[in-house]
Amino acid sequence: DAGVIQSPRHEVTEMGQEVTLRCKPISGHDYLFWYRQTMMRGLELLIYFNNNVPIDDSGMPEDRFSAKMPNASFSTLKIQPSEPRDSAVYFCASKTGSYEQYFGPGTRLTVT
Amino acid sequence: KQEVTQIPAALSVPEGENLVLNCSFTDSAIYNLQWFRQDPGKGLTSLLLIQSSQREQTSGRLNASLDKSSGRSTLYIAASQPGDSATYLCAVNTGTASKLTFGTGTRLQVTL
Repeated sequence: DAGVIQSPRHEVTEMGQEVTLRCKPISGHDYLFWYRQTMMRGLELLIYFNNNVPIDDSGMPEDRFSAKMPNASFSTLKIQPSEPRDSAVYFCASKTGSYEQYFGPGTRLTVT
Repeated sequence: KQEVTQIPAALSVPEGENLVLNCSFTDSAIYNLQWFRQDPGKGLTSLLLIQSSQREQTSGRLNASLDKSSGRSTLYIAASQPGDSATYLCAVNTGTASKLTFGTGTRLQVTL
């Protein structure tokens, strides 16, 4: 398997623009997670899905952030409008059952 | 709220040394614990997963132990190599068995 796939790998955008990050989980995995990593706050869970259904979005910082999982092989994280403080590395991860989580390579977002 | 602490924050050792990385957590009612490594600018690579019913897990030169009652886990690396240089993160699954709480990591450098 190719592992968790994320795109784009790097995104530079101006404040106020909409940003969409994409993730393809490992085939057969029924959980999908979105994380954000910054120097100040470390790794934080934003939201996770089980069988395409959002289970816990308590980590989503504010209404500017939204996530969808229209099918088992695709998820998006959208920020609208983006702000400089959203600059971070965003990771997607997937797993099945009680087994380990596998992370994608991340998307480095820079908002100027 | 679960809090995860890793000590030391940074460590430099000469090649060939055996070393121990420490992870402590405040809520002992965990489901499992996972150790990761992260190379600079890269995603997280899963190293070991210990279920709450287990005391230790081994993979090659790595051995992870878990003492739930005292809220501690250690990652033992035998015969360290320069290729082991990375940041090591521990993460704890509490409650729902899906939400990982990460420590801040130990940055390891193995010198020649």
